[in-house]
Amino acid sequence: NAGVTQTPKFQVLKTGQSMTLQCAQDMNHNSMYWYRQDPGMGLRLIYYSASEGTTDKGEVPNGYNVSRLNKREFSLRLESAAPSQTSVYFCASSPLAGYTDTQYFGPGTRLTVL
Amino acid sequence: GENVEQHPSTLSVQEGDSAVIKCTYSDSASNYFPWYKQELGKGPQLIIDIRSNVGEKKDQRIAVTLNKTAKHFSLHITETQPEDSAVYFCAASYNQGGKLIFGQGTELSVKP
Repeated sequence: NAGVTQTPKFQVLKTGQSMTLQCAQDMNHNSMYWYRQDPGMGLRLIYYSASEGTTDKGEVPNGYNVSRLNKREFSLRLESAAPSQTSVYFCASSPLAGYTDTQYFGPGTRLTVL
Repeated sequence: GENVEQHPSTLSVQEGDSAVIKCTYSDSASNYFPWYKQELGKGPQLIIDIRSNVGEKKDQRIAVTLNKTAKHFSLHITETQPEDSAVYFCAASYNQGGKLIFGQGTELSVKP
């Protein structure tokens, strides 16, 4: 079991460029999440998906879009990157729907927007 | 919405000493309180969690206590070891759609 995998590991973008962060899990989990981690601010939820085809906004959704392609994959898209989106992005999954279940995190993507 | 405050932001202890990290939350409806450990360059990993129907939970050298009246919960690590060095995050959420809100993190350093 690879668990939760994320690609790429590192990315540098220029302001205005677009990109998609990929996430996949092989644990047959129902729920998937995207977080961003900034110094001194902990992890903040960007988007959540309880099942294929459903998504829900988190604390900081502005500037992002998501797609739950199937049960395994949950992608995060930045349409027009801004320096404020420089962060480390984590994908996570959990067996059940909701937020009161163990979340399993991927290794993260470090994104820099110049 | 829920707000979680975590203290201290950094903590340095000698190997073998105990470490305590404290969190307070604002939403009295919160009933699930996990703790995650993040090692350098990795994603967070759950180390222990507690639900509101219990006041304390232990797992070997790690324990978590919950005071629902005061709306705070704490992580206790006894007999610390260098491999305990990491960033620790508390979090809180509730059933029926309450999102998991994380604290700001505590960087624990255990000196040999």
